[in-house]
Amino acid sequence: DIQMTQSPSSLSASVGDGVTITCRASHSISRSFNWYQQKPGKAPKLLIYSASSLQSGVPSRFSGSGSGTDFTLTINSLQPEDSATYFCLQSHSTPYTFGQGTKLEIK
Amino acid sequence: QVQLQQSGPGLVKPSQTLSLTCVISGDSVSSNSAAWNWIRQSPSRGLEWLGRTYYRSKWSDDYAVSVKGRLIINADTSKNQFSLQLNSVTPEDTAVYYCARANSGWYFDYWGQGTLVTVSS
Repeated sequence: DIQMTQSPSSLSASVGDGVTITCRASHSISRSFNWYQQKPGKAPKLLIYSASSLQSGVPSRFSGSGSGTDFTLTINSLQPEDSATYFCLQSHSTPYTFGQGTKLEIK
Repeated sequence: QVQLQQSGPGLVKPSQTLSLTCVISGDSVSSNSAAWNWIRQSPSRGLEWLGRTYYRSKWSDDYAVSVKGRLIINADTSKNQFSLQLNSVTPEDTAVYYCARANSGWYFDYWGQGTLVTVSS
């Protein structure tokens, strides 16, 4: 199985700041990598697919990069509604595996 | 717009069978470019992919090792839905269960609303 190691597990930032979340895969997954946002009581929402493609309707302050084993989610100009938990997902091979999540608090 | 609507009980007794259904609108369970998945989430295990079914000239399915032998995912083309059947449940199977569509890129782009299932006597 491909293990996904996500960091940090939590972070706090202010409105207008920029933050970066990283995910590392235990084996190369090319660009079969995706980012999700989850708010309490809701299903995860797709933000970024194929490492760097922005899902339709997602604000352009979200961006993704990386390939192989190392991936990054960057959120620029944080807004209050960005308070959520963020997960990565490798869709390279089954069993599909998720990162442990990063809880983002907006101060 | 694809929508997935889940249904099923929220409480299951240990050793019994957990059954959930996911009704699809806006797509077909027989689509040649989608796969239909079950995923669960718990504080102890995080997000865990359980398995999928999909049609590519014939039906195929895959299961996570952690539930293989206990899990069956079935598609019902007449009702455009798919289902999860998890046998011999234990309290460790307590989780929020989600159905989700994977598109041709194999990532999950549409999710059901989630069902909290508690395994308890």
